Amino acid sequence: QTVVTQEPSLTVSPGGTVTLTCASSTGAVTSGYYPNWFQQKPGQAPRALIYSTSNKHSWTPARFSGSLLGGKAALTLSGVQPEDEAEYYCLLYYGAEGVFGGGTKLTVL
Amino acid sequence: QVQLVQSGAEVKKPGSSVKVSCKASGGTFSSYAISWVRQAPGQGLEWMGRIIPILGIANYAQKFQGRVTITADKSTSTAYMELSSLRSEDTAVYYCARDAASETDYWGQGTLVTVSS
Repeated sequence: QTVVTQEPSLTVSPGGTVTLTCASSTGAVTSGYYPNWFQQKPGQAPRALIYSTSNKHSWTPARFSGSLLGGKAALTLSGVQPEDEAEYYCLLYYGAEGVFGGGTKLTVL
Repeated sequence: QVQLVQSGAEVKKPGSSVKVSCKASGGTFSSYAISWVRQAPGQGLEWMGRIIPILGIANYAQKFQGRVTITADKSTSTAYMELSSLRSEDTAVYYCARDAASETDYWGQGTLVTVSS
């Protein structure tokens, strides 16, 4: 049973920078896991932010960036805005099967 | 403008089955995969499986093997997810999402399935 682990919660001040991470129970996360990141606000469907580690969708704000950091996938928000308060999920692919992380609740305070 | 429009909410009895549809518009249906993801109340996202319509091949998460069937009808650009032997723990919002080589972009609005006696 593969487990993908994210920080349960993080708090950041408006204008600050925060990094969310995504770890795999199988070892280091590489680009071959095609990390995707999603944002979800209460009562809404998830919204895609990042695919294949660091690629942005056309609607992804420039302040969001994806990378690999210390054996994990990472999502960095620079210049955080109040509207960035949300749940963030990573998704890793193990061959043909996807596994979501448990999500990080980001509070902007 | 790509849109994925899902069927409406369902209430089902334990032990029965549910079939949720996801109709795509605004893109080339067969060129993408469609994934199914669910979210139980107050819980996180859970990947269930994916189908590549042009190949008709589906992959499923181990947890749902034998209980979920994902199909696609290219003629109507619609994907389906059928879950059988329903139990109360299957109460959740079920989402479809479009995938291109593990790049997930557009999502459906979600379908609430409630399993209750």
